[in-house]
Amino acid sequence: NAGVTQTPKFQVLKTGQSMTLQCAQDMNHNSMYWYRQDPGMGLRLIYYSASEGTTDKGEVPNGYNVSRLNKREFSLRLESAAPSQTSVYFCASSQGENQPQHFGDGTRLSIL
Amino acid sequence: AQTVTQSQPEMSVQEAETVTLSCTYDTSESDYYLFWYKQPPSRQMILVIRQEAYKQQNATENRFSVNFQKAAKSFSLKISDSQLGDAAMYFCAYGDRDDKIIFGKGTRLHILP
Repeated sequence: NAGVTQTPKFQVLKTGQSMTLQCAQDMNHNSMYWYRQDPGMGLRLIYYSASEGTTDKGEVPNGYNVSRLNKREFSLRLESAAPSQTSVYFCASSQGENQPQHFGDGTRLSIL
Repeated sequence: AQTVTQSQPEMSVQEAETVTLSCTYDTSESDYYLFWYKQPPSRQMILVIRQEAYKQQNATENRFSVNFQKAAKSFSLKISDSQLGDAAMYFCAYGDRDDKIIFGKGTRLHILP
């Protein structure tokens, strides 16, 4: 049972480089999410997609773009990485309508 | 905008004792849902319990139960008979009907043997 798969698991970038984090789920879920987790800050919602073809901003969308490529895949792009974007990124999915989220294992991203 | 506040950054409890983690939230919506998630050192996010706002009855899952006070916008988690495996970060989360889900900053729970 794959669930939610994130790639890569680790990445180091230089300031100004671009990067796309990939996320795929095999549970036929409608909703998908990207969060970042920083010490003392909990999980903060970057973007979410309530259904295929729609995306909405979360709490901290600046510096990021997303694409809901199809029902399975939801990617997060950093166009010009900044040290403030060093974090652990989690992708999640849910069936929507009160159902709980299933999370990927996270991507640890360091920007030098 | 909705917010979720966990006022206890860290807590400790003796093994086999009971502990309550606090969570308050702010919303103007009447229809929403609430969750508690656990994050052990493995970094996995694990659902502990969920509650739908329209339900008066407090949710229970084995040793885990909630005290949902809708008027006070409070959603606390009680862990009974604490076990060493309960040591983790606990996050309270709020979800609205647009499927937007936001989290509190978390409470780190230590279990003392």
